[in-house]
Amino acid sequence: ELKVEQNPLFLSMQEGKNYTIYCNYSTTSDRLYWYRQDPGKSLESLFVLLSNGAVKQEGRLMASLDTKARLSTLHITAAVHDLSATYFCAVAPIGLNNNDMRFGAGTRLTVKP
Amino acid sequence: DGGITQSPKYLFRKEGQNVTLSCEQNLNHDAMYWYRQDPGQGLRLIYYSQIVNDFQKGDIAEGYSVSREKKESFPLTVTSAQKNPTAFYLCASSNNRGSNEQFFGPGTRLTVL
Repeated sequence: ELKVEQNPLFLSMQEGKNYTIYCNYSTTSDRLYWYRQDPGKSLESLFVLLSNGAVKQEGRLMASLDTKARLSTLHITAAVHDLSATYFCAVAPIGLNNNDMRFGAGTRLTVKP
Repeated sequence: DGGITQSPKYLFRKEGQNVTLSCEQNLNHDAMYWYRQDPGQGLRLIYYSQIVNDFQKGDIAEGYSVSREKKESFPLTVTSAQKNPTAFYLCASSNNRGSNEQFFGPGTRLTVL
């Protein structure tokens, strides 16, 4: 069974600092997704990573995927208050059941001035 | 505008009642999904459908039912058999090809009185 673990679950940062959120998963996959959720809202897609070594960047966020290590990272550069949200990674298994995506528990990020 | 709509936004149910949550998409996506989110937690898959007139159970299907009579619509019924239905329900869709990225609706918050 595919399991997805994120850490940390809670992250409090000062504005201007850098940090990395980690997403580990338990079985082979070639598709990993990062989403953002603001309080009381739905999920917004941030990144789709489809191959080993994939790296994508948008503004102060950069995501990478290492399929051999079964690890994805979401790196935050020079954090600003607007990045405060909960970030989820989600992993789809390879094979016929590839619609059965599993989510991590989420990382609640708070950026303080 | 293409997108996913869910209604109602808020729903209150008395114990013992069945309620149906609506999900409609005009993205021409083949696959649709229902997730449940409890406070401070990740998403758990209830049901998904890859094509019309076909659907599969997710991890927590007990106490829920779905139908997929039209490509655009995937309603979820929360039955009285669901013992703890208070949660945030999210519907998503994907094109079942390529990245298979899922796009989410705004959600329905269900409260049992």
